[in-house]
Amino acid sequence: GAVVSQHPSWVICKSGTSVKIECRSLDFQATTMFWYRQFPKQSLMLMATSNEGSKATYEQGVEKDKFLINHASLTLSTLTVTSAHPEDSSFYICSAPVSYSYEQYFGPGTRLTVT
Amino acid sequence: AQRVTQPEKLLSVFKGAPVELKCNYSYSGSPELFWYVQYSRQRLQLLLRHISRESIKGFTADLNKGETSFHLKKPFAQEEDSAMYYCALFTGGFKTIFGAGTRLFVKA
Repeated sequence: GAVVSQHPSWVICKSGTSVKIECRSLDFQATTMFWYRQFPKQSLMLMATSNEGSKATYEQGVEKDKFLINHASLTLSTLTVTSAHPEDSSFYICSAPVSYSYEQYFGPGTRLTVT
Repeated sequence: AQRVTQPEKLLSVFKGAPVELKCNYSYSGSPELFWYVQYSRQRLQLLLRHISRESIKGFTADLNKGETSFHLKKPFAQEEDSAMYYCALFTGGFKTIFGAGTRLFVKA
């Protein structure tokens, strides 16, 4: 089956710094990827749709200047949390759909802790 | 409005008992619905999709358009079924929205 990886799996950063999270489709190409945020014991909140070669589409209430998304190739999307604050601490998950299916393949997630 | 509702945050059953995880949806078009599962310390993965009408790990789900429901059922729960279950609706453009999730706890 399709595999999606994320790096790093966990990261701790200081308040005010920026941190980049990578999402890769390992054995298939993904023109579209999705970024979610998951709070403890809560559902996934869709943050944005990452589109290869064009601007990301952000969901209502998500600050595009804070959560920068770049989809530079058909296998890589990055999420950069800029000027991180403790309230940005969360579990960030990416997914990619397989082109012939409506199914989403999920990465393992990245736990971000901002101190 | 496009919405997926899972009314139960937590469902606790004994091993061997039947289990039903409820899911209701709101969608103007013809829905494509899924159940995803997240086991402890594992990534989210697809459990089943309504279009394939398959049974995975003993779970089945029937789409009821009249009641706008897609409940997940299993006749005899196993301890290894303990996990977080998400009902999901494909809304086009490969975009999927998820319900709040139901944590299933199967007691020995």
